[in-house]
Amino acid sequence: GAVVSQHPSRVICKSGTSVKIECRSLDFQATTMFWYRQFPKQSLMLMATSNEGSKATYEQGVEKDKFLINHASLTLSTLTVTSAHPEDSSFYICSARKPGAVYEQYFGPGTRLTVT
Amino acid sequence: DQQVKQNSPSLSVQEGRISILNCDYTNSMFDYFLWYKKYPAEGPTFLISISSIKDKNEDGRFTVFLNKSAKHLSLHIVPSQPGDSAVYFCAALLDTGRRALTFGSGTRLQVQP
Repeated sequence: GAVVSQHPSRVICKSGTSVKIECRSLDFQATTMFWYRQFPKQSLMLMATSNEGSKATYEQGVEKDKFLINHASLTLSTLTVTSAHPEDSSFYICSARKPGAVYEQYFGPGTRLTVT
Repeated sequence: DQQVKQNSPSLSVQEGRISILNCDYTNSMFDYFLWYKKYPAEGPTFLISISSIKDKNEDGRFTVFLNKSAKHLSLHIVPSQPGDSAVYFCAALLDTGRRALTFGSGTRLQVQP
């Protein structure tokens, strides 16, 4: 199997606070994890690519100081939204790729972030 | 610039009939194309893929067709079932670098019983 979990599934926070979202590959080791963001009725937009033990690669337009990504182990990547604002409210989804896989990515269930 | 496009935001079909979901792309360098199914508040689930060197791939009720000259692919579901109702995303991948997926905007399929 290839199961990816995310925690929390839903979080509400106040403006100015930071929120950490965890992405775990439960039954495989993932050398690469991806973080996506989805706005209502829109596509999944890639935010960054996270490689275990190295710095994340951010897509153009994504603020790396605002969206901190840490891939500390082969089964865990975290996304921290710092100094959150209401416009950061979105659905955040992570995915993980098995070592050696060309294209298979296994997605987590997503995290709904609401910033008030 | 959207490299992967799904121009139909929604599609409604009768149970038992064929569902055809379409996808167009602009980057002729894409190596793989994938279809994902997504329910609300869940992550996408992989359905079927096709390599750019092929023109058809079949898996049970799902068949993906690729027309490279037209930069177009389609997903056929036959027969359609009410449980197929979901949002379907087309995605493309370059087999180089970080090998990240580029997604289309999705098509909501509704299969009527």
